Amino acid sequence: KNEVEQSPQNLTAQEGEFITINCSYSVGISALHWLQQHPGGGIVSLFMLSSGKKKHGRLIATINIQEKHSSLHITASHPRDSAVYICAATRDSNYQLIWGAGTKLIIKP
Amino acid sequence: KAGVTQTPRYLIKTRGQQVTLSCSPISGHRSVSWYQQTPGQGLQFLFEYFSETQRNKGNFPGRFSGRQFSNSRSEMNVSTLELGDSALYLCASSLAGSYNEQFFGPGTRLTVL
Repeated sequence: KNEVEQSPQNLTAQEGEFITINCSYSVGISALHWLQQHPGGGIVSLFMLSSGKKKHGRLIATINIQEKHSSLHITASHPRDSAVYICAATRDSNYQLIWGAGTKLIIKP
Repeated sequence: KAGVTQTPRYLIKTRGQQVTLSCSPISGHRSVSWYQQTPGQGLQFLFEYFSETQRNKGNFPGRFSGRQFSNSRSEMNVSTLELGDSALYLCASSLAGSYNEQFFGPGTRLTVL
């Protein structure tokens, strides 16, 4: 079993819909990262959080430490949000980043 | 502030050859991590360097090696290339490690023929 699990693997939605991507982890962590990868390879860090909630524009990231779960929400989704969203966790024991498999999001106009 | 740069962006090699990829981190960042990404696979961690020392290493054969210089620039080397080494190689820099925000370079796309 992977230490970081993401769901769903693939998500297709209509423009304007509210999107939720989930990430659960099974080890002790000191930080949780959400990143975005567009076709062509470039990866951009969206959030890094260790507790609570962060918001940037239409993106919101939350983490529940007790439940070992994090969510990434996109409000009023737009076709330009189409990308792969990846969650990664900083493992407490060796500070290595462990990666989820990614969620491929397609927003249709 | 300049971002993370990687050179070259594209590379074509033949089996058995060796290759060296370069990563220049953001100024002031001391940690550089390397990843391999193949189609359909997630990011596979290669190694992390901090202050010229390898701090973490993934599960790759000894053909994959790296180093970091005093100016934090890092290189990775792959010797005796195999077809399966064809991939996008990404480096990420951060202030001090994985508990800081990660900044990724554009990647080097390596094709082994």
